[in-house]
Amino acid sequence: SQQGEEDPQALSIQEGENATMNCSYKTSINNLQWYRQNSGRGLVHLILIRSNEREKHSGRLRVTLDTSKKSSSLLITASRAADTASYFCARSGGYQKVTFGTGTKLQVIP
Amino acid sequence: DTGVSQDPRHKITKRGQNVTFRCDPISEHNRLYWYRQTLGQGPEFLTYFQNEAQLEKSRLLSDRFSAERPKGSFSTLEIQRTEQGDSAMYLCASSPPERVAYNEQFFGPGTRLTVL
Repeated sequence: SQQGEEDPQALSIQEGENATMNCSYKTSINNLQWYRQNSGRGLVHLILIRSNEREKHSGRLRVTLDTSKKSSSLLITASRAADTASYFCARSGGYQKVTFGTGTKLQVIP
Repeated sequence: DTGVSQDPRHKITKRGQNVTFRCDPISEHNRLYWYRQTLGQGPEFLTYFQNEAQLEKSRLLSDRFSAERPKGSFSTLEIQRTEQGDSAMYLCASSPPERVAYNEQFFGPGTRLTVL
């Protein structure tokens, strides 16, 4: 079963606005990752945050992790139409299996 | 292109037929994963290989499913006696050795299976 849940399930914003997606999980993790998937395509790795980290940046992406609340958030600043995609959080309790959430479908309107 | 490749990209088959998918990981990636993704859902883990050894299998992987990675390079996923419920996108991913990186996974484009 999928043990990461993203919120909201769908998000529609205007180009230039910021987009925030949240992820909750149930069990302890070693790290948490965020992936992007364009419609009908494979997944692209965006960013990985380790359990001992609280915040990480990569370009227009900012990820936070709160292990006490078992939650993470992905912020995309100054969104672009090309950011339209589904975004998944994926938790790992070890070095092998990664468990994906249900995803947030982001639409950025030009 | 040195990314993960999967073949075929699309497969349409009739219920009861067998199908086989192939995944070629990024070279020197010793870890390989198979996932299944249905519409509107995230990928669900099926199985994991480290080199040629299959180290973990999900309960989703019924007896009709078998995966191999005979030489520790490419992998195949076979589904026997396909059912309509097997219709999904089958994704393959690979990772470099643990000493190089955590389990950041590089995904292929997927094989979309439709069982009629």
